[in-house]
Amino acid sequence: DADVTQTPRNRITKTGKRIMLECSQTKGHDRMYWYRQDPGLGLRLIYYSFDVKDINKGEISDGYSVSRQAQAKFSLSLESAIPNQTALYFCATSDYQGQPQHFGDGTRLSIL
Amino acid sequence: DQQVKQNSPSLSVQEGRISILNCDYTNSMFDYFLWYKKYPAEGPTFLISISSIKDKNEDGRFTVFLNKSAKHLSLHIVPSQPGDSAVYFCAASQLTYNNNDMRFGAGTRLTVKP
Repeated sequence: DADVTQTPRNRITKTGKRIMLECSQTKGHDRMYWYRQDPGLGLRLIYYSFDVKDINKGEISDGYSVSRQAQAKFSLSLESAIPNQTALYFCATSDYQGQPQHFGDGTRLSIL
Repeated sequence: DQQVKQNSPSLSVQEGRISILNCDYTNSMFDYFLWYKKYPAEGPTFLISISSIKDKNEDGRFTVFLNKSAKHLSLHIVPSQPGDSAVYFCAASQLTYNNNDMRFGAGTRLTVKP
């Protein structure tokens, strides 16, 4: 079983819909992250959380919200999806400052 | 603004030869650098890292070199194998600032030909 699991793996939806992407981990890490990947831009940080009570905005948080339901679960929401949010989304975890991040296999989101 | 740049979108090398992937950064406060490898339909996986107190770190066939004055790092793979064919991301962060705001380059697609 994967250490960092993202659901769904693929999603196609329409403009204006509310979307939730979910991430769960079995690594026992406190830190969790959401990134998006766009061609030519690499991975950009959307939100990150150092523990259940700690949520921080990343480089590109506008249009997104997150919820840290438990140490193992971190979900990303698009309240009203728009086409330029079409991207590949990754969840990641890490143990503490300076440790490499462990990524899920990604969610490919297409907004029509 | 892209603080971490990988200017070569792709690189093709022959099996057994050296692969050199390059990365430049603009933020002099970055003090921790990593390389990740990504296969299709999978998430990035950590490959090797280096802190700013070093100029070289080696792990088997993989060596990362850091030139702080030039704000440049490179990943050397010797010898290259077909299984090394993947997208490689360079990443940088500030260990001294506890926000884990890690910046990634756009990636370089490496193809190793048999």
